[in-house]
Amino acid sequence: GIQVEQSPPDLILQEGANSTLRCNFSDSVNNLQWFHQNPWGQLINLFYIPSGTKQNGRLSATTVATERYSLLYISSSQTTDSGVYFCAVRPGYSTLTFGKGTMLLVSP
Amino acid sequence: GAGVSQSPSNKVTEKGKDVELRCDPISGHTALYWYRQSLGQGLEFLIYFQGNSAPDKSGLPSDRFSAERTGGSVSTLTIQRTQQEDSAVYLCASSSPEEVGLGTEAFFGQGTRLTVV
Repeated sequence: GIQVEQSPPDLILQEGANSTLRCNFSDSVNNLQWFHQNPWGQLINLFYIPSGTKQNGRLSATTVATERYSLLYISSSQTTDSGVYFCAVRPGYSTLTFGKGTMLLVSP
Repeated sequence: GAGVSQSPSNKVTEKGKDVELRCDPISGHTALYWYRQSLGQGLEFLIYFQGNSAPDKSGLPSDRFSAERTGGSVSTLTIQRTQQEDSAVYLCASSSPEEVGLGTEAFFGQGTRLTVV
């Protein structure tokens, strides 16, 4: 099956810093999503981005489908950004496969 | 409803008992997924339903686990003879019908936290 690798596995930032999270995948996909799992366990949709670039406030994402990777940018980080960030992909008509996530801690 | 709804939110059961977890997908969504997340771990795929097609059961960890989806809507995940290693958060997601070659966005419920004692 498809392999999804996220980096870095852990990240500690000072409030106000910027960061880039990466997701590499091993096959063509027609669905790529970024999720934020907050400390209460809720999975929050950040971006649905099988290709191209999107921005939502301090967050933006870029997927280069031909090179099989996606990047999530967090600017001016806040303590509420803490949690685990998951990338999930779906090749064709199959299930959604998740990476192992990046655990982010933003300290005040 | 407005989002994916799961019930119960929390379930504590004794080892060896059977449990049923329910998922109500977003209205009109034809795809439904079940995942399991153990403490501090990533999401483990369990089963995937897509419309009237045969479900993808390749992620079910043992024959104690089964799931059904009635009328293309509500889904029930059943765990028979529960074991302590079944303790986890069980998450359900749904997504809308797809056009050929295109994917659609999946939305998750809040999960059911299962504790087997």
